[in-house]
Amino acid sequence: QKEVEQNSGPLSVPEGAIASLNCTYSDRVSQSFFWYRQYSGKSPELIMSIYSNGDKEDGRFTAQLNKASQYVSLLIRDSQPSDSATYLCAVKGNNNDMRFGAGTRLTVKP
Amino acid sequence: DAGVTQSPTHLIKTRGQQVTLRCSPKSGHDTVSWYQQALGQGPQFIFQYYEEEERQRGNFPDRFSGHQFPNYSSELNVNALLLGDSALYLCASSPIGHEQYFGPGTRLTVT
Repeated sequence: QKEVEQNSGPLSVPEGAIASLNCTYSDRVSQSFFWYRQYSGKSPELIMSIYSNGDKEDGRFTAQLNKASQYVSLLIRDSQPSDSATYLCAVKGNNNDMRFGAGTRLTVKP
Repeated sequence: DAGVTQSPTHLIKTRGQQVTLRCSPKSGHDTVSWYQQALGQGPQFIFQYYEEEERQRGNFPDRFSGHQFPNYSSELNVNALLLGDSALYLCASSPIGHEQYFGPGTRLTVT
């Protein structure tokens, strides 16, 4: 079992719709959770961090964490073509090293 | 305020050679982590430096080594290059224990 798992996609949504990205992790002692966005040929860009159970909202982005289910998700409301990218889920445990999923490729169609 | 910088941008090496990649962290950040990202994969953790010492290491062979300088900048060295070392090498900086921010990366091609 991979440490951090994501659906590879591609996930395609129409412009203005809600995009839902999911991630599960295997290490129960994980403390910190992150979503990075990576455009093709570029480096990852941090868009959200979440540390406690529940929802965290930042503009059009909402991160959701459920530690009991070892599940973290990212919702993108009012999706725009500029949101088309690969979204990487990252999990950090007590050791400070971050483990990444393989990423989900999102395409937002005009 | 400059973000994380890396050099060089691109590099082509031959199997068996050695390479050194460089990273300057964002101002105020004292921790540098290195990652390898193969095409179509997520970044894989190589190691992390804090206070000029390697604090954590991922599942990479000893051919991968690093260094952190007193000004918090860092180098990644890879010896005896293999074709499989071709990847995007990413440096990320942070205050210790906080969110990590990535540099633009160095694209290494081994032929």
